[in-house]
Amino acid sequence: KQEVTQIPAALSVPEGENLVLNCSFTDSAIYNLQWFRQDPGKGLTSLLLIQSSQREQTSGRLNASLDKSSGRSTLYIAASQPGDSATYLCSPRVKAAGNKLTFGGGTRVLVKP
Amino acid sequence: NAGVTQTPKFQVLKTGQSMTLQCAQDMNHNSMYWYRQDPGMGLRLIYYSASEGTTDKGEVPNGYNVSRLNKREFSLRLESAAPSQTSVYFCASSQNAGSNEKLFFGSGTQLSVL
Repeated sequence: KQEVTQIPAALSVPEGENLVLNCSFTDSAIYNLQWFRQDPGKGLTSLLLIQSSQREQTSGRLNASLDKSSGRSTLYIAASQPGDSATYLCSPRVKAAGNKLTFGGGTRVLVKP
Repeated sequence: NAGVTQTPKFQVLKTGQSMTLQCAQDMNHNSMYWYRQDPGMGLRLIYYSASEGTTDKGEVPNGYNVSRLNKREFSLRLESAAPSQTSVYFCASSQNAGSNEKLFFGSGTQLSVL
């Protein structure tokens, strides 16, 4: 069974600082890995999807890296803003699990003005 | 383009009552999912439907039933609600399982069972 761990569980930084969020998973046979953002009381929004053949994916200030062999992904958010405050979740899609995604517990981020 | 729409947004039930959570997507996706989110437990898959006419159990299916009514709609039914089913429920959809498939979520249903 795929186990997904996100460290740290919570993070508080001053505005402008770069954010580094970590995700580790136990089954490296994955189709892809997604990073999601969840605002309080809302659903999840997909931020980035990295295919298993890719090493990284970028969208604006967001960059996600994937090291499949070691079971790790990192989400970098450059020059953080108060609007980046949210919970960030990672989810690898395991080949053996077909349509079933497993989610990490998330990292709750607070960016202070 | 509404994406994934869930109803209701909030619901309070008494133990033993039944209810159906509705979900509809307008992206012509083949796969649909129901998750529940609980503090300290993260998101857990209840049931999913890989395509119209098929449904499969996820990680925590006990106490729930689902119906893939057509390609657009996937409902979740609680036949006899229990306090342990107090949670936030999310519906999601995706085109297919594969290497470049994003998951789209609804805004959730907050359910309390007293």
